[in-house]
Amino acid sequence: DTAVSQTPKYLVTQMGNDKSIKCEQNLGHDTMYWYKQDSKKFLKIMFSYNNKELIINETVPNRFSPKSPDKAHLNLHINSLELGDSAVYFCASSQDGGSGGVRETQYFGPGTRLLVL
Amino acid sequence: GDSVTQMEGPVTLSEEAFLTINCTYTATGYPSLFWYVQYPGEGLQLLLKATKADDKGSNKGFEATYRKETTSFHLEKGSVQVSDSAVYFCALSDTGGFKTIFGAGTRLFVKA
Repeated sequence: DTAVSQTPKYLVTQMGNDKSIKCEQNLGHDTMYWYKQDSKKFLKIMFSYNNKELIINETVPNRFSPKSPDKAHLNLHINSLELGDSAVYFCASSQDGGSGGVRETQYFGPGTRLLVL
Repeated sequence: GDSVTQMEGPVTLSEEAFLTINCTYTATGYPSLFWYVQYPGEGLQLLLKATKADDKGSNKGFEATYRKETTSFHLEKGSVQVSDSAVYFCALSDTGGFKTIFGAGTRLFVKA
């Protein structure tokens, strides 16, 4: 059984288009994340949701909008795609350690490889 | 703010060589420390972790000891295999926050 799944795995699109990436976790975790990984493998957090509430929103262009319909899902919608958005996007989840913060292991999805032409 | 610094790669070793990947951190609280591994074309997965000072995390022959006095969490393996070729990320998760800070990643190539 896949713990954290993302769709699609590959996404090739034109500049200016709008696209969405879906993420689902079946681990019963409270917290979900979106990360962007560039070509040099640098991993940057974009958003974090805890129990459907946005708790981290890094300096990400407002063309990126996360949506969490329930605890198990965190989708990422991107408007007006730009060349610089080309990257691998990872969804992840973790269980709140109970201390009010995250001290637990993060479980990553397989990634969505986005190429903007 | 909190940060993680790990040695730049790529690191190229021959099979059965000894591996060390250095990692140091800065944190205001008492973080948990992690090593994640990313195999080609896959997402990150936990390799090992340590939650308090002097703890040693170990898995698949890899080890790392949480050293508070030197703020380090170096990854070691006594004898690497070709299948260990991957990108390794050091990370910390601090109390009170909902964020894990990742290092820049170190790519390891192991030659047969």
